[in-house]
Amino acid sequence: EAQVTQNPRYLITVTGKKLTVTCSQNMNHEYMSWYRQDPGLGLRQIYYSMNVEVTDKGDVPEGYKVSRKEKRNFPLILESPSPNQTSLYFCASSSALGPYEQYFGPGTRLTVT
Amino acid sequence: SQQGEEDPQALSIQEGENATMNCSYKTSINNLQWYRQNSGRGLVHLILIRSNEREKHSGRLRVTLDTSKKSSSLLITASRAADTASYFCATDDQGGKLIFGQGTELSVKP
Repeated sequence: EAQVTQNPRYLITVTGKKLTVTCSQNMNHEYMSWYRQDPGLGLRQIYYSMNVEVTDKGDVPEGYKVSRKEKRNFPLILESPSPNQTSLYFCASSSALGPYEQYFGPGTRLTVT
Repeated sequence: SQQGEEDPQALSIQEGENATMNCSYKTSINNLQWYRQNSGRGLVHLILIRSNEREKHSGRLRVTLDTSKKSSSLLITASRAADTASYFCATDDQGGKLIFGQGTELSVKP
């Protein structure tokens, strides 16, 4: 089944403790992206990747890192999480050479205390 | 930021009625997309309209795009309870960035 998977789905952590949210797609998609969704602010793009080893900043990249070493994986790294990074995070991928007709993962709900 | 704005923020209708949502954006785009999100779940792509298109249909969905006014509308005809969801427009910056609108919460009552 074609899908985007994210792990973990739920995470409660403490300020400053490094964490990684994994994202994997099995559709051989070129484009991958991370978003965060907050009440009243909608979805905002964090980082995106047009291809392996090619990543770029979205609208809200501060406090996040990404890497794209393989086509299928696009992990999101929070080196030192803070409470303002408490949010619902989505990974998405697309076969197009850009952010079009994206498939979204199920989301990761992160709470930083 | 070229963040889109959606109108209305919330819409409540009866089953069988049509629902219209509007989206405005600020800068030039390649394409405009509409996505649906059921409560707390991942978004699902509905339809993409290119900047050189004015209207597009997909099943019960009709999307229009007016680049001179930098606006788009999504019409859902003969709505069903299963259409209850949040609907988002999204515009690209002619690169890899994607900007979502705030969304319209649609409630369709049986």
